Amino acid sequence: QKEVEQDPGPLSVPEGAIVSLNCTYSNSAFQYFMWYRQYSRKGPELLMYTYSSGNKEDGRFTAQVDKSSKYISLFIRDSQPSDSATYLCAMSPDNYGQNFVFGPGTRLSVLP
Amino acid sequence: ETGVTQSPTHLIKTRGQQVTLRCSSQSGHNTVSWYQQALGQGPQFIFQYYREEENGRGNFPPRFSGLQFPNYSSELNVNALELDDSALYLCASSLGALNTEAFFGQGTRLTVV
Repeated sequence: QKEVEQDPGPLSVPEGAIVSLNCTYSNSAFQYFMWYRQYSRKGPELLMYTYSSGNKEDGRFTAQVDKSSKYISLFIRDSQPSDSATYLCAMSPDNYGQNFVFGPGTRLSVLP
Repeated sequence: ETGVTQSPTHLIKTRGQQVTLRCSSQSGHNTVSWYQQALGQGPQFIFQYYREEENGRGNFPPRFSGLQFPNYSSELNVNALELDDSALYLCASSLGALNTEAFFGQGTRLTVV
């Protein structure tokens, strides 16, 4: 079992839909949970992060962490074609590089 | 744009050769981390440099080595290239070693033939 699992997609949705992206993990020591967006031929861009459990909202994006289920989610409301990208989850027991584990990413297409 | 620049953007090398990739960190940042992203995978941590010293290393063999210069720019060197080294190599810079403060460059696409 991989440490962080993520459905690779591709996931195609119509413009305006609510998108749900998810990751599961096996290491109960993870405390920092991040979501990155990566456009084609670009580096990842941090969208938001959560420490420990709970929800966090930033504009159209909401991140949720359920540590009891080892499950994290990113919701995108009113999705736009510009949201078409690969979404990577990443997590770490602390906030330091060598312990940072990424999921394989989910490719999202938002169709006009 | 993040202010982190990498060069070259694309590179083709032959198996057994050596390669040097470069990263210019964002102004004011003193930490550079390097990642390898194989096709269809998430980035994997190679190592990190903080104020010119190695500050953590992932599960990569010694033929992956690096340097950080006094201006905090950095190089990644890979010796004895193997076909499996074909990947996107990303650097991320930050002030201090915190993941949540790091900005990624656009990457160098390395193809080993």
